[in-house]
Amino acid sequence: GIQVEQSPPDLILQEGANSTLRCNFSDSVNNLQWFHQNPWGQLINLFYIPSGTKQNGRLSATTVATERYSLLYISSSQTTDSGVYFCAVLNTGGFKTIFGAGTRLFVKA
Amino acid sequence: DADVTQTPRNRITKTGKRIMLECSQTKGHDRMYWYRQDPGLGLRLIYYSFDVKDINKGEISDGYSVSRQAQAKFSLSLESAIPNQTALYFCATSDVIGLGGSYNEQFFGPGTRLTVL
Repeated sequence: GIQVEQSPPDLILQEGANSTLRCNFSDSVNNLQWFHQNPWGQLINLFYIPSGTKQNGRLSATTVATERYSLLYISSSQTTDSGVYFCAVLNTGGFKTIFGAGTRLFVKA
Repeated sequence: DADVTQTPRNRITKTGKRIMLECSQTKGHDRMYWYRQDPGLGLRLIYYSFDVKDINKGEISDGYSVSRQAQAKFSLSLESAIPNQTALYFCATSDVIGLGGSYNEQFFGPGTRLTVL
């Protein structure tokens, strides 16, 4: 089945810094989502982005489907950005969404 | 009100007990899912249902069963709970839109934290 790899696995930032999280996938995809899991365990939808670029405030995402990767950009990070960021994909012709292992982000004040 | 709700939010039980986790949604979506998350890991799919008459096994269905009582309700049961089923359980929904059902964004409930002693 499709493999989803996220990097880096862990990231520590000083408040105000920028970061880029990466998601690589091993097969063509119909769907790709980025989620933020906050320290209370809730999963928050960030982007639905099977291709192209989207922006929402300090966050933006780009998926290059032909090269099988997606990037999540966090600018001017805040302590509330801490948590785990997951990439999840549904491969073309598939029925099951596969999650990556996540990137654990800690933003220091 | 939340679009996807799960009950209970927390549950502690003992080995061998039968447990049911419930999920309800007001989004009007046909597709519903149950996932499990273990500490430090991503989510893994347990079961999914594309409509009331359609139930499918996911990656890790052994030890679990589900019931789709209505479009809006999808329950997960552990017939005889064991300690390695201790995890955070999520319900999710999605709608399928577009030619060939190409749009399939998932929305998650708040999770149920289950501990099996």
